[in-house]
Amino acid sequence: NAGVTQTPKFQVLKTGQSMTLQCAQDMNHEYMSWYRQDPGMGLRLIHYSVGAGITDQGEVPNGYNVSRSTTEDFPLRLLSAAPSQTSVYFCASSPRGRGSTEAFFGQGTRLTVV
Amino acid sequence: AQSVTQLDSHVSVSEGTPVLLRCNYSSSYSPSLFWYVQHPNKGLQLLLKYTSAATLVKGINGFEAEFKKSETSFHLTKPSAHMSDAAEYFCVVPLGGGYQKVTFGTGTKLQVIP
Repeated sequence: NAGVTQTPKFQVLKTGQSMTLQCAQDMNHEYMSWYRQDPGMGLRLIHYSVGAGITDQGEVPNGYNVSRSTTEDFPLRLLSAAPSQTSVYFCASSPRGRGSTEAFFGQGTRLTVV
Repeated sequence: AQSVTQLDSHVSVSEGTPVLLRCNYSSSYSPSLFWYVQHPNKGLQLLLKYTSAATLVKGINGFEAEFKKSETSFHLTKPSAHMSDAAEYFCVVPLGGGYQKVTFGTGTKLQVIP
């Protein structure tokens, strides 16, 4: 009963370093997405995917890359970390369906860039 | 375009008193609407969902919300606050298109005073 699993839970990076935030879901959901959460701004969509091999940009995509080679995994790559990327990152997945369905969220990754 | 506005960034209530968290939406049609809750250092959990079946929606933990088209509102209420209700609450509207792309309100932090 894992749901959406994000790793790591915490990470400190130096400016300019790169890293990958991992996200995996075991519910066979087609739709997966990455959000960042900053105080007073709610959650903002970074990138999303509607199925394996298909990704698209969200509201704040700059500085991030994604890929979706399998249904289960949707990693988020920070190419060259900047202090402005200090945030809490959430991965979510949803099944495709008529109308709108519930999104299932991971526990988050708290990233600090120094 | 669909959007939501959460009218209060912070709400403080005494334990045992009613809770009202306000959300107004903007949409060119009757949308689906969600409320999610985020407890400190946790992921987001679905509280309740409106999908046009009934205007009064009951959720988990005694929360409910009423969809009012004339007021374009979807306020979240609970008759009696409990200490465990202290959390951040997000009003969410899907952007449509058959996939589960959504936009979040900026969140309301609920403080419950003993």
